[in-house]
Amino acid sequence: EPEVTQTPSHQVTQMGQEVILRCVPISNHLYFYWYRQILGQKVEFLVSFYNNEISEKSEIFDDQFSVERPDGSNFTLKIRSTKLEDSAMYFCASCQGWDEAFFGQGTRLTVV
Amino acid sequence: AQSVTQLGSHVSVSEGALVLLRCNYSSSVPPYLFWYVQYPNQGLQLLLKYTTGATLVKGINGFEAEFKKSETSFHLTKPSAHMSDAAEYFCAVSDDGSQGNLIFGKGTKLSVKP
Repeated sequence: EPEVTQTPSHQVTQMGQEVILRCVPISNHLYFYWYRQILGQKVEFLVSFYNNEISEKSEIFDDQFSVERPDGSNFTLKIRSTKLEDSAMYFCASCQGWDEAFFGQGTRLTVV
Repeated sequence: AQSVTQLGSHVSVSEGALVLLRCNYSSSVPPYLFWYVQYPNQGLQLLLKYTTGATLVKGINGFEAEFKKSETSFHLTKPSAHMSDAAEYFCAVSDDGSQGNLIFGKGTKLSVKP
C-alpha cells in the first residue's frame, strides 16, 4: 500500500541551526502539506503546496519556514534558524485533491 | 472561522464497553469532517470521514460516526472496545472543499482496561 514517508524520524538540533525535514509523498498525489504537533497540543496546519507553489499558509509559517519540491519525489520543510519553541512533531501529508489526506509517521524535532 | 472541540482529553473504558468520543465543530459552510487515529510512535491514520450524503458513516476497525448538523457534532462510537483501540483520536474539519487543509481538535486519548 502506498504511504507517505518522512526522514529522519527524530532530529536533534542546536538553537539557531537550520534543519531540513524530508518527505516523500505518495507518487500520484498533487497536494502536499506540513503540519506540526507541539507536545501535548493539537495538530496545527502549517502550509499547503500545489503546482510548485504555496497555496495556503498559517500564521505559524513565518519567514523562517520554507518549503520546496526539489525533484519529482521529495517535499521538504526548512526551518532557517531554529528556536526552542520549534520543538514538535512535524507531519507531512499528501492527497490527490478529491480524496483524503495521507499522513506520514512524522519527524520529531528537538531543539536544544 | 472553523474550530473543533473534543470533549475529554482522556477517556478510559473497559474492554467490551461502548466507546464514545465527542467532537463538536463550528463552520460557516457545510463541512467535511474526519476522524484520525494515532497509535503510539506512528502517524495519523484516517478512521472515517463525512463529506456528503449519508450522515452515518462507517470506518475501519468497527468505528462509526454520525454527522448531526443541528447539534454541530460528529461523535465517534464503537460498540465494543478492544485493547488494540488504545490510541489518540483526532477530530478534524475542512470547509474549503479540500480534504488536506484540516483544522484539528486537541485529541482524545483512549485507554482500554482489561
